[in-house]
Amino acid sequence: AQTVTQSQPEMSVQEAETVTLSCTYDTSENNYYLFWYKQPPSRQMILVIRQEAYKQQNATENRFSVNFQKAAKSFSLKISDSQLGDTAMYFCAFILTGGGNKLTFGTGTQLKVEL
Amino acid sequence: DGGITQSPKYLFRKEGQNVTLSCEQNLNHDAMYWYRQDPGQGLRLIYYSQIVNDFQKGDIAEGYSVSREKKESFPLTVTSAQKNPTAFYLCASSTSPASIYFGEGSWLTVV
Repeated sequence: AQTVTQSQPEMSVQEAETVTLSCTYDTSENNYYLFWYKQPPSRQMILVIRQEAYKQQNATENRFSVNFQKAAKSFSLKISDSQLGDTAMYFCAFILTGGGNKLTFGTGTQLKVEL
Repeated sequence: DGGITQSPKYLFRKEGQNVTLSCEQNLNHDAMYWYRQDPGQGLRLIYYSQIVNDFQKGDIAEGYSVSREKKESFPLTVTSAQKNPTAFYLCASSTSPASIYFGEGSWLTVV
């Protein structure tokens, strides 16, 4: 079974600073996707960034980037130039490629961006 | 607009009562999912369906039931067998593992 671990229940960062959220996962498979989702107080799940396991290049989306270390099974999220609107719960998630598979989530990291 | 609609947004259940949460999507997605979210925990999979008239149990299916009679609909029934149903419930759909869309969720409270 696949597992996802987020070891930082809470983090805080000053506005305009950079913060990194950690995520590790466990799988014996080679083909999968990794995701970071943002959940603001509205509870809407918003996709932040996606990484395909077969791609060595780290994914980036504007201020968001990942450090994907496949051998170490690590998938951290870096938020640059943090903004107040980044305050939210962040979930790391994993899914095997191919049909019939399920998206597995970590327990989340509550990020607070402060003035 | 295309998307996933969950209703009701808030629902109260009395002890021993069954309740049904609705999930409708107009994205023409084959796969649909139900997740439960509790404080301090990530989302846990209740049931999922890859195709009409077929569905599989997730990690915490006990006390829940689903149906998939139409492609666009995947209702979740919380039965009286679910001893601790108070939670936030999220429905999702996808056309591929790389692209999963979520509804806005439903809050269920036992009174």
